[in-house]
Amino acid sequence: DADVTQTPRNRITKTGKRIMLECSQTKGHDRMYWYRQDPGLGLRLIYYSFDVKDINKGEISDGYSVSRQAQAKFSLSLESAIPNQTALYFCATSALQDQPQHFGDGTRLSIL
Amino acid sequence: KQEVTQIPAALSVPEGENLVLNCSFTDSAIYNLQWFRQDPGKGLTSLLLIQSSQREQTSGRLNASLDKSSGRSTLYIAASQPGDSATYLCAAPAMDSSYKLIFGSGTRLLVRP
Repeated sequence: DADVTQTPRNRITKTGKRIMLECSQTKGHDRMYWYRQDPGLGLRLIYYSFDVKDINKGEISDGYSVSRQAQAKFSLSLESAIPNQTALYFCATSALQDQPQHFGDGTRLSIL
Repeated sequence: KQEVTQIPAALSVPEGENLVLNCSFTDSAIYNLQWFRQDPGKGLTSLLLIQSSQREQTSGRLNASLDKSSGRSTLYIAASQPGDSATYLCAAPAMDSSYKLIFGSGTRLLVRP
């Protein structure tokens, strides 16, 4: 089983819908991140969390919200999806700042 | 502000060739640097992480080097194979409170049989 699991792997939905992307990890890491990847723009940070009670905005948090339900779970929500949120979304975890980040397989999200 | 650049953007080589991928970063006060592989439409596979105290890290046919003073890292792939075809990304942490990874735009590698 993968250490960092993202669900769903693919999702197609319509503008205005609420969507939740889920991430769970079995690595026991405190730090969790959500990134999105767009062609030509690389990966950009949406939100991050260093603890269950800790939520921080990244560089592109507008239109998104997150929930850290437990150490192992970090969910990303799009309250009202819009087409320019079509992207590949990655969840990542790490133990400490000098330790590697481990990525899930990504969720490919298409908003029509 | 950390910026990461990768050269070349694309590379095509015949099978069996040794090759070097380059990565440069602007903030040398980094804890580490990480190299990833990404297959089309797929996730990121971590290949190597070099700590700031290290100069090299090896895994099989892969060898990554780090020179903090010059802000450079290289990924050396020995005896390339068609299965090595993928996009290779390097990433350095932003030295702020997030420690998010700042990614280069990647080198798209094609190894021809």
